[in-house]
Amino acid sequence: QVQLVESGGGVVQPGGSLRLSCAASGFTFNRYAMHWVRQAPGKGLEWVAFIQDDGNNKYYADSVKGRFTISRDNSKNTLYLQMNSLRSEDTAVYYCAKDPHIGPNWFDPWGQGTLVTVSS
Amino acid sequence: EIVLTQSPGTLSLSPGERATLSCRASQSVSSSYLAWYQQKPGRAPRLLIYGASSRATGIPDRFSGSGSGTDFTLTINRLEPEDFAVYYCQQYGSSPLTFGGGTKVEIK
Repeated sequence: QVQLVESGGGVVQPGGSLRLSCAASGFTFNRYAMHWVRQAPGKGLEWVAFIQDDGNNKYYADSVKGRFTISRDNSKNTLYLQMNSLRSEDTAVYYCAKDPHIGPNWFDPWGQGTLVTVSS
Repeated sequence: EIVLTQSPGTLSLSPGERATLSCRASQSVSSSYLAWYQQKPGRAPRLLIYGASSRATGIPDRFSGSGSGTDFTLTINRLEPEDFAVYYCQQYGSSPLTFGGGTKVEIK
C-alpha cells in the first residue's frame, strides 16, 4: 500500500533553515506529482508547494515563494522541502501528499506529518 | 486566487442524522475540480470526494458530493460515530490550490 513518511521537523530560530524529507513507498514514485501541505496549530490547511513527476515544473504558494524549495530524488523515492528564512508564521505540521496524476490535483494519500516550530 | 467559504463553521448533530456541509467559491471552479477531506484530531486528512461527486476508494456510500460552478455540498447520510470530525473542501481548478476553512461536525 502507498506509504508516505515525513521527517526532519523540529525547533528552529527565526531566520533559520530546515530541510524536510518524505520517503515514499508502495507506488512508482517517478510517475506521480507530489505536494507539501501545512497546517498551523489549531488552524486549517494550506497548500505549500507542488512538483511534477520529473521535477521539471514546480509551483509555490505566495507565502513561501523565494524562501522554500521543493525537490525530489526519484532514485531514492524521496521528496524534499528546503525551508530558508523561516518565520514564526511558518510554524505548522507539514504533510507530504501524493497527486493522483501529473497534477496539480487533489491529495491522496497524505503522510502523518512532521511538526516545524519556529521560535526563539 | 479562489477563496472557498465553508458553512456552517460547526454542525451539531446526533448519530443517525444527516449532515449537509456547504462550500462556496469566490469564482467558478472549472470542471468541478473540487475535493472533500475528513480530518480527525491528531491525524492527517483523508480524501473523501474528488471531481465534486466521485467517492475515493474505500469511502462508504453514505458520503456523497454534489454541486458545480461556485456552490458545492458534502452530504453524510446516517451519521456514524466515526464521522464526527472536521471536513475541508479544496479546489484544484486554478492555481494556487486553496482550501476552505473547514466545518466541524460534532456530537449533539
